[in-house]
Amino acid sequence: GEQVEQLPSILRVQEGSSASINCSYEDSASNYFPWYKQEPGENPKLIIDIRSNMERKQIQELIVLLDKKAKRFSLHITDTQPGDSAMYFCAASDMATGGNNKLTFGQGTVLSVIP
Amino acid sequence: DAGVTQTPRHEVAEKGQTIILKCEPVSGHNDLFWYRQTKIQGLELLSYFRSKSLMEDGGAFKDRFKAEMLNSSFSTLKIQPTEPKDSAVYLCASSRQNYAEQFFGPGTRLTVL
Repeated sequence: GEQVEQLPSILRVQEGSSASINCSYEDSASNYFPWYKQEPGENPKLIIDIRSNMERKQIQELIVLLDKKAKRFSLHITDTQPGDSAMYFCAASDMATGGNNKLTFGQGTVLSVIP
Repeated sequence: DAGVTQTPRHEVAEKGQTIILKCEPVSGHNDLFWYRQTKIQGLELLSYFRSKSLMEDGGAFKDRFKAEMLNSSFSTLKIQPTEPKDSAVYLCASSRQNYAEQFFGPGTRLTVL
């Protein structure tokens, strides 16, 4: 089955700087790559995703890059704020119409934004 | 619409006990997932149901973990017998068929003494 590796496991950045989290996957059939944010004491929530027909997607300060050849994707948070402090999970899936929606998650990254 | 609900929110069990965790998915969602979350392993898939049919049963968890979905609006996860290494947060999530986003419940924090 699919395996997803996520690094770093802990990330500390200064407020206003950028934060980057990297993930790699093994299954070349994977075509959907979401990112989930989990705030302390809360459940994970989808914040941005990218499909294999795209190389880059941006929603406000969140940028996701996908390199299918290298089987890598990454999340970049520009101009970080204290509210960005949370656990972030990447995931991969081979979504197909009518097929299963199973996600394989990375191990998670704890991001701390220092004021 | 109500989100995914899970009960109980906290559970403390003695080693060897049987515990049952409960989940109600978002109304109208066909897919239901059970995950275990730990600091070391992150999110591990335990079971995956589509329209009440078991699609995947996490291999490493088969012997003491059993998830069931008797109707489209209710699922249980039974751990029998519990061991201290089962201490973790157990998350339930649901999604619509053909829609990728999974909606997570608040989780059950299990402590096994």
